[in-house]
Amino acid sequence: GAVVSQHPSRVICKSGTSVKIECRSLDFQATTMFWYRQFPKKSLMLMATSNEGSKATYEQGVEKDKFLINHASLTLSTLTVTSAHPEDSSFYICSARVASGAYNEQFFGPGTRLTVL
Amino acid sequence: GNSVTQMEGPVTLSEEAFLTINCTYTATGYPSLFWYVQYPGEGLQLLLKATKADDKGSNKGFEATYRKETTSFHLEKGSVQVSDSAVYFCALRPSGGSNYKLTFGKGTLLTVNP
Repeated sequence: GAVVSQHPSRVICKSGTSVKIECRSLDFQATTMFWYRQFPKKSLMLMATSNEGSKATYEQGVEKDKFLINHASLTLSTLTVTSAHPEDSSFYICSARVASGAYNEQFFGPGTRLTVL
Repeated sequence: GNSVTQMEGPVTLSEEAFLTINCTYTATGYPSLFWYVQYPGEGLQLLLKATKADDKGSNKGFEATYRKETTSFHLEKGSVQVSDSAVYFCALRPSGGSNYKLTFGKGTLLTVNP
């Protein structure tokens, strides 16, 4: 089946530093990847849609200069949290879309736990 | 806009009990409907789906039927196991065009005790 990986699985950083999270589709090419943020005991909040070779589309209320997304290849998208602050601490999950003919599914990565001290 | 409402948790059951997690949605047209499961510390896994009215999705003993008339997609399992303990998310994807964003419910935590 389609496998999506994320790296790192957890990261702790100091306030003011930047953190990069990678999302990879391991056995398929994904023209579209999504980044979600999950708060404790809450649902997933879509942050942005990332298309290979073009700028990401951010959801309303998400700061694009704060959460930099790059989708440089068909198997890799990165989310960089710039100048992280404690309120950015969260669980970040990516997904990759597979679309072929009538088949259209998203496969999710295992998530990255970010803790900002 | 589109929205998904699922029953508030947490839900605590004994092993072999019957499970129902209610899910209703608001959307135009005929969205595709999904149930995802998230085990502790992990990402989401697709549990089952249905793409048109009256379709029944099933997997691992779980079932859900797409009811257009009641705009519902309730998740059921006849006999739960301890290993089913997880958070369950109902989600929809709008029909047609290039809109493939998923809208999720808030999730329902299920705990199954031995």
